[in-house]
Amino acid sequence: QKEVEQNSGPLSVPEGAIASLNCTYSDRGSQSFFWYRQYSGKSPELIMSIYSNGDKEDGRFTAQLNKASQYVSLLIRDSQPSDSATYLCAVSNGNNRLAFGKGNQVVVIP
Amino acid sequence: EAGVTQFPSHSVIEKGQTVTLRCDPISGHDNLYWYRRVMGKEIKFLLHFVKESKQDESGMPNNRFLAERTGGTYSTLKVQPAELEDSGVYFCASSLPFNYGYTFGSGTRLTVV
Repeated sequence: QKEVEQNSGPLSVPEGAIASLNCTYSDRGSQSFFWYRQYSGKSPELIMSIYSNGDKEDGRFTAQLNKASQYVSLLIRDSQPSDSATYLCAVSNGNNRLAFGKGNQVVVIP
Repeated sequence: EAGVTQFPSHSVIEKGQTVTLRCDPISGHDNLYWYRRVMGKEIKFLLHFVKESKQDESGMPNNRFLAERTGGTYSTLKVQPAELEDSGVYFCASSLPFNYGYTFGSGTRLTVV
């Protein structure tokens, strides 16, 4: 069983719509959860972190965490062409290392 | 603030050769990490330095990989001898203590032929 699983993409969304990305993790001891955005050929960039159950909003991004279901999601509201990228889910159990999912490619269609 | 710098950005070497990758973290970041992404796979942890000490090297694939961090500043990752399966993108990241908000470098794409 993979540590972090992201459902396969790519995800195509019209401009202005909501993009929804999901991630599940296997380690119940996981404490910290992150979403990174990676443009093609560039470095992963941290866009959201979440540590407790519930929702966390930052601008057009909302991260949702459900530890009981071992599930974390990312919503991108009012999607823009500049949001077209690969989104990586990453999880840590407090040991200073991140376990990454394979990533979801998002394509925003103008 | 300068970001995490890695070089070279690309390296193509023959099987059996040696390659050294370098990472310059953000100044003041005690934590330095190496990760690798092999084609088609997820990004995987290799090791973690705190200043000049190896905190966790459990992700290093085998003893052909050697990482060092001189004086707690820049770090090098040497692969000797390189094998075909070592091809991938090697990322370096750094962070402040107790901070998981890593800043990643742009990576070194290593191709072993």
